[in-house]
Amino acid sequence: DTGVSQNPRHKITKRGQNVTFRCDPISEHNRLYWYRQTLGQGPEFLTYFQNEAQLEKSRLLSDRFSAERPKGSFSTLEIQRTEQGDSAMYLCASSFLADTQYFGPGTRLTVL
Amino acid sequence: KNEVEQSPQNLTAQEGEFITINCSYSVGISALHWLQQHPGGGIVSLFMLSSGKKKHGRLIATINIQEKHSSLHITASHPRDSAVYICAVGWAYSGSARQLTFGSGTQLTVLP
Repeated sequence: DTGVSQNPRHKITKRGQNVTFRCDPISEHNRLYWYRQTLGQGPEFLTYFQNEAQLEKSRLLSDRFSAERPKGSFSTLEIQRTEQGDSAMYLCASSFLADTQYFGPGTRLTVL
Repeated sequence: KNEVEQSPQNLTAQEGEFITINCSYSVGISALHWLQQHPGGGIVSLFMLSSGKKKHGRLIATINIQEKHSSLHITASHPRDSAVYICAVGWAYSGSARQLTFGSGTQLTVLP
């Protein structure tokens, strides 16, 4: 296993379009986290899963955002009706319970 | 409000210098993480600690629970150490969630 992977690495979309990102965690990790990072800032927590259950969501995750982890392995993050303020780096991390989180390379979203 | 503050925001050093980056937090934590982020977004976990001191190569991380403060030291700095260093904490009250709250990062530039 080569670590956490995210696809796509870059996404450019027009305002109002829907986008979906994918995260593949390290295979034996049961926890998966989504974070968002805007330019010049540290990442901010969005949501996390333990196995297939979504256990916590930040208030940053508006109703336009939805995340799934249907089989407890990969996860998808969908943003509907994108806005320019959604432009950011979306980071995924995984861990085994409360151990060290390993981060993916991120998906950079640009909304025009 | 639970906060994580880092200092300095920017740091420029000459190759070989000893570097210290500081992190302060507001309330009790379960663990503190030091992360390294290179241009392009990839994040690497350097340390996770809840007490004492850890060392890995030229990197040393310390934490003082009573003072709610942690430091990351780099000995014999090298231009390849140039990156953003981020402090992140898991709050003790967050139960099983373990999502991280991040500082805004310290941009380190080591000149040859």
